[in-house]
Amino acid sequence: DAKTTQPPSMDCAEGRAANLPCNHSTISGNEYVYWYRQIHSQGPQYIIHGLKNNETNEMASLIITEDRKSSTLILPHATLRDTAVYYCIVRGDTGTASKLTFGTGTRLQVTL
Amino acid sequence: EPEVTQTPSHQVTQMGQEVILRCVPISNHLYFYWYRQILGQKVEFLVSFYNNEISEKSEIFDDQFSVERPDGSNFTLKIRSTKLEDSAMYFCASSGQGALEAFFGQGTRLTVV
Repeated sequence: DAKTTQPPSMDCAEGRAANLPCNHSTISGNEYVYWYRQIHSQGPQYIIHGLKNNETNEMASLIITEDRKSSTLILPHATLRDTAVYYCIVRGDTGTASKLTFGTGTRLQVTL
Repeated sequence: EPEVTQTPSHQVTQMGQEVILRCVPISNHLYFYWYRQILGQKVEFLVSFYNNEISEKSEIFDDQFSVERPDGSNFTLKIRSTKLEDSAMYFCASSGQGALEAFFGQGTRLTVV
């Protein structure tokens, strides 16, 4: 699976949009971009995933560049409860039980 | 909302003992996983399980570890002869047909003393 690069930490004011970048320059054509987060020591929580098109759900939006070498997770109105470590993961063929390879992620601190 | 349930939430065991960590995946999911996270470190993949057999395992998942789906609802991780370095949070996860998003449980904190 392709390796990802994320900033180690970011701050965001409550109510503002949090934009979390991820570089995955070695991504291949059949690999998806996944975002998970981990609040304190809880189990990782799925946020969103995409292949090449931008995606939006009730939690976030995922913007993938046209060359697919980078992406941005957007939390439109961050709250204190969004403080967590956010992981960008590139994962291969989703037709099998392929593993998620977690990096060190971005620690997002949402402040008042 | 359906969720993955893990028991116990915290297990303390003496070095050398065997432990069984239990998980109830989301009903009708087909793919099951175990991950672990040593304190302050990354979440690490241990094993994936599909159709009653291991699909993939990491280097960590050696003969000390085994998984089982003893009935239609439970998924267990057995750790034999525990060592101090097995102390970690162990997360179970499951995913449905197509193996898209995986849903994680809240974890079992294993402390080996």
